[in-house]
Amino acid sequence: QKEVEQNSGPLSVPEGAIASLNCTYSDRVSQSFFWYRQYSGKSPELIMSIYSNGDKEDGRFTAQLNKASQYVSLLIRDSQPSDSATYLCAVKRGYQKVTFGTGTKLQVIP
Amino acid sequence: GAVVSQHPSWVICKSGTSVKIECRSLDFQATTMFWYRQFPKQSLMLMATSNEGSKATYEQGVEKDKFLINHASLTLSTLTVTSAHPEDSSFYICSVQGPTSSGNTIYFGEGSWLTVV
Repeated sequence: QKEVEQNSGPLSVPEGAIASLNCTYSDRVSQSFFWYRQYSGKSPELIMSIYSNGDKEDGRFTAQLNKASQYVSLLIRDSQPSDSATYLCAVKRGYQKVTFGTGTKLQVIP
Repeated sequence: GAVVSQHPSWVICKSGTSVKIECRSLDFQATTMFWYRQFPKQSLMLMATSNEGSKATYEQGVEKDKFLINHASLTLSTLTVTSAHPEDSSFYICSVQGPTSSGNTIYFGEGSWLTVV
């Protein structure tokens, strides 16, 4: 079992729809969770971080964390073509190194 | 603004030569930096953890004598690809672990494209 699992996609959604990206992790004592966006040929950029169960909203983005089920998700409302990228889920425990998923490619169709 | 600065953004070198990539933490002192490599359309691969004032910790399968890492100060880590070969052509990205106040968030540099000809 991979430490952090993501569906590689591509996930295709029409413009204006909600994109739902999911991530599961294996280390039950993970404490910090991050979502990064990576455009082709560019380095990852941080979108959101979440540390406690529940939802965290930032603009069109909502991160959801469920530690009991060991999953974290990212919702993108009103998806735009500019949201087309690969989304990386990252998980961290304390001062351990962060573990990245392989990413989900999102395509927003105009 | 940028938290991590990486230089150069792209470099072309001849096979057999060495090339150095710099990674600077701009906003805070970083005792730990990370170096990743990413081939086209593939996922990030952690190469090594750079520790200020001590030897880097390399991931399994990464040649420490080929990929030299120096972390001489709290704001600068360098990766030197020695005796580069075409198969070393890749996107190299450094990252910095932020302070506790940031939740130890990982911030990435802009990345460096290396092409070995």
